[in-house]
Amino acid sequence: DIQMTQSPSSLSASVGDRVTITCRASQDIKKYLVWIQQKPGKAPKSLIYAASTLQSGVPSKFSGSGSGTDFTLIISGLQPEDFATYYCQQYYSYPLTFGGGTKVDI
Amino acid sequence: EVHLLQSGGGLVQPGGSLRLSCAASGLTVSINSMNWVRQAPGKGLEWVSVLHSGGNPDYADSVKGRFTISRDNSRNTVYLQLSNLRTDDTAVYFCTGGVLDWGQGTVVSVSS
Repeated sequence: DIQMTQSPSSLSASVGDRVTITCRASQDIKKYLVWIQQKPGKAPKSLIYAASTLQSGVPSKFSGSGSGTDFTLIISGLQPEDFATYYCQQYYSYPLTFGGGTKVDI
Repeated sequence: EVHLLQSGGGLVQPGGSLRLSCAASGLTVSINSMNWVRQAPGKGLEWVSVLHSGGNPDYADSVKGRFTISRDNSRNTVYLQLSNLRTDDTAVYFCTGGVLDWGQGTVVSVSS
C-alpha cells in the first residue's frame, strides 16, 4: 500500500495568511493526487485533482503543485470559511490512501 | 452537476447487517469507479471498497469477506452490504464518484 504523509498535522493561522500544507507519498504516484477539504460535521469536498487542477467552482486562492512523491497545497488569503481539515489522497493505485489530515484553525 | 444521495445506515448490534445506498444523478455509475470511504468518530478518512466500471470489486483488508459492493444500473445506484458488523465498523460512510464527487454521508453505529 502507498503511504501518504501530511505535514503539519495542525496549524494556527489568521485571516489573510498564506498557508502551505505538504504531502509525501511513499512511492511515485505521478500526479494522481487529490486535495480534499472537510469542515466539521460535513462531507468532504475535493478541491484539486491531478495534483494541480482546480475542481470546477473552487476559488483560485487554492493551488496545488508537485509530482512523483512530493506535493503542496497553498491557500492564499485565508478566509474564515477556509478553516477546516485538509487531506491529500492518492489515486494512483488501490487501495486508495489518505494523508492523516491537516487541521487549519485560528 | 453531480449529486450522490445516500440512504441506509443506523444503529445495529455486533454481528448484524445493514445496506447502504448511493443514488447518483449527473453521473453514470456503470461507467465510473464508485467508491465507499468511511470516517470513524474523530478520525481520518479510510477507503473501504470500489466497484470499477468493468464490474470488478475490491475491498480493504479490514472489510474483505464481510462487505459487498454492487450496483443497479437501471436505478443508477451503488450499494454497500455490510455484514457481520463489528464495533470498529462504527463510522460515517461516504460514497464517492471517481475522486471528485462525494455523497452527504450516512452514519453506521455498531453497539450492543
